[in-house]
This record gives sequence, structure tokens and C-alpha cells, in this order.
Amino acid sequence: DVVMTQSPLSLPVTLGQPASISCRSSQSLVHSDGNTYLNWFQQRPGQSPRRLIYKVSNRDSGVPDRFSGSGSGTDFTLKISGVEAEDVGVYFCMQGTHWPPWTFGQGTKVEIK
Amino acid sequence: QVQLVESGGGMVQPGGSLRLSCVASGFIFSNYDMHWIRQVPGKGLEWVSALWNDGGNENYADSVKGRFTISRDNSKNTLYLQMNSLRAEDTAIYYCAKDSHGSADHWGQGTLVTVSS
Repeated sequence: DVVMTQSPLSLPVTLGQPASISCRSSQSLVHSDGNTYLNWFQQRPGQSPRRLIYKVSNRDSGVPDRFSGSGSGTDFTLKISGVEAEDVGVYFCMQGTHWPPWTFGQGTKVEIK
Repeated sequence: QVQLVESGGGMVQPGGSLRLSCVASGFIFSNYDMHWIRQVPGKGLEWVSALWNDGGNENYADSVKGRFTISRDNSKNTLYLQMNSLRAEDTAIYYCAKDSHGSADHWGQGTLVTVSS
């Protein structure tokens, strides 16, 4: 199975400041169909996960444009251009290229300093 | 809007069985592959099982293979997970999720399964 490794696991951020989360996979996530199935999810306290980004850099409907995804191959990044209070929660990356199974990163907890 | 509502969780003894249900609305259920994903409260996410939109292909995590069975009734817009021979390590919140672009674009609120004597 593909191992997804996130860093950091804890990210204290000042309101309005940028934040960046890294996700690395144990093998390339480029699918034979040419797509890269790397996704980002947000899980606010007490809520279900919500998808923010699919296929590396595509924002889901309703996701603020302060969230952006980038990367290729085995290295990927989620950036928040200016953290707001509602962004507190845990962020997970997930690969869907080499499935089954889908595999998730350990999660990065974003909190306000 | 898309809604996924799970039910059927609860407390069960080791070796017991439970059947989870997920009722879908707000989209054409029969057009989409569906998944079950679980999460130990406060911990990470683990994909459990998936079923094609027409029920023609099913997949399982190694940790549940041979014990869990996924199924669906497209006439009732409902996804199921039959869980047999439950173990303490199956204790988790179980989410159903709709597949889009190769991942889960919508998740239910989850149902808690606790396996304990």
C-alpha cells in the first residue's frame, strides 16, 4: 500500500498568516490515465471530513480561494494564504491513484497561536 | 443538496455482528460508486470498502476482508455494510462517502461502532 506522510503534524498559526502542509507519498501518484489522484480534506472539530482539493489542485465547490494545492509525483502541498479562525481543524491528504486501498496521511492539526 | 445519513451503529460484543445503512439523497445514487471509511475517534482515517454504482465490483481493506460485506439497493438509495466477527480494533466511527473524481466528495455524519465486552 502507498504510505502518505504529512508534515508537520501540528501547525500553530497566527490569524491572517499563511500556512503550508506537506504530503509525501511512498511512490509516484501519477496514474496510467495521466491524472494524479491526490486530495486534501479538512476536518473541523466534531465534524465529518470535507474535501477541499481533488487531483492536486482543483478546489471543490464552495471552498474559499485562500486554499490551494500544488505538487507532482510524490511531493504535494496544501497552502492557506491567510488563516482564518474557521480553518482550525485537522487536514488530511489522501491518494486514490493506487487503489484499493485509498490511503490517508496521519493528519495535520492546525490551531491558532 | 447531497445528503448521506448513516445508521445502525452501536455497542456489540467481540464476535458479534452489525449492519450499517447509509441513505443517500440529493444526487442520482445509482450513478456513483460508494465507499465506507472509518475513523477511530481522534485518530486517522482508514478506507474500509467500496462498491461500484451497479454493484458489479466490490473491494475491501485487508483488515476487514472475509468479515465485512458491502452492498447497495439502488431502488432505495441505500448503501449497506454487514459487519461480522467484529473485533475490538473495529471500534470506530464509520462514514459512508460518495465517489467523485477518484475520491470522496461528500461524507455522511458517521455512525459509531463500539466493540467491547
